Amino acid sequence: GAVVSQHPSWVICKSGTSVKIECRSLDFQATTMFWYRQFPKQSLMLMATSNEGSKATYEQGVEKDKFLINHASLTLSTLTVTSAHPEDSSFYICSARIGGPEAFFGQGTRLTVV
Amino acid sequence: GIQVEQSPPDLILQEGANSTLRCNFSDSVNNLQWFHQNPWGQLINLFYIPSGTKQNGRLSATTVATERYSLLYISSSQTTDSGVYFCAALRGNQGGKLIFGQGTELSVKP
Repeated sequence: GAVVSQHPSWVICKSGTSVKIECRSLDFQATTMFWYRQFPKQSLMLMATSNEGSKATYEQGVEKDKFLINHASLTLSTLTVTSAHPEDSSFYICSARIGGPEAFFGQGTRLTVV
Repeated sequence: GIQVEQSPPDLILQEGANSTLRCNFSDSVNNLQWFHQNPWGQLINLFYIPSGTKQNGRLSATTVATERYSLLYISSSQTTDSGVYFCAALRGNQGGKLIFGQGTELSVKP
């Protein structure tokens, strides 16, 4: 079946540094991937749509200069949290679809900024 | 955009009990999915069910698209069923954006 893999599963970084999170589609090509963020005890909120070979589309209120998305190949999208601050600590999760409307999710990345 | 509402927000069950979780959505959809989020955060796909009824073991789901709701049934609950259950919906003209409800946190006690 479809598998979406994220790396790393968790990361701790110092305030002011940048962190890159990878999202890979392992057995299919994904022209579009989606990045979500989830704060504790809350639902998943869509951050941006990652499009292979073109610029990402960000949801209202998401800072594009802070959350850099690169979708350089049909199997890899990356999210870079730049100049991270403690308020960026969250659970980040990506998803992709094979071609139909059913979405499959990665295992998520727990980011802690200290 | 589409609004997705789930109820109840919390549910505590004794092991072996049955339960029904509800998901209401504000507009017609081409995708309705149910997920179980495990304690490590991973979203487990339970059902892709834009309409009709499906069953998988002790779980089943029904979506009545014309009335804009979906139900997830859990029978003979087990402690391993604990976690948060999300429904999420997608409209065809929303660029593939899956919108999540607020979730139902289920706790099954032994």
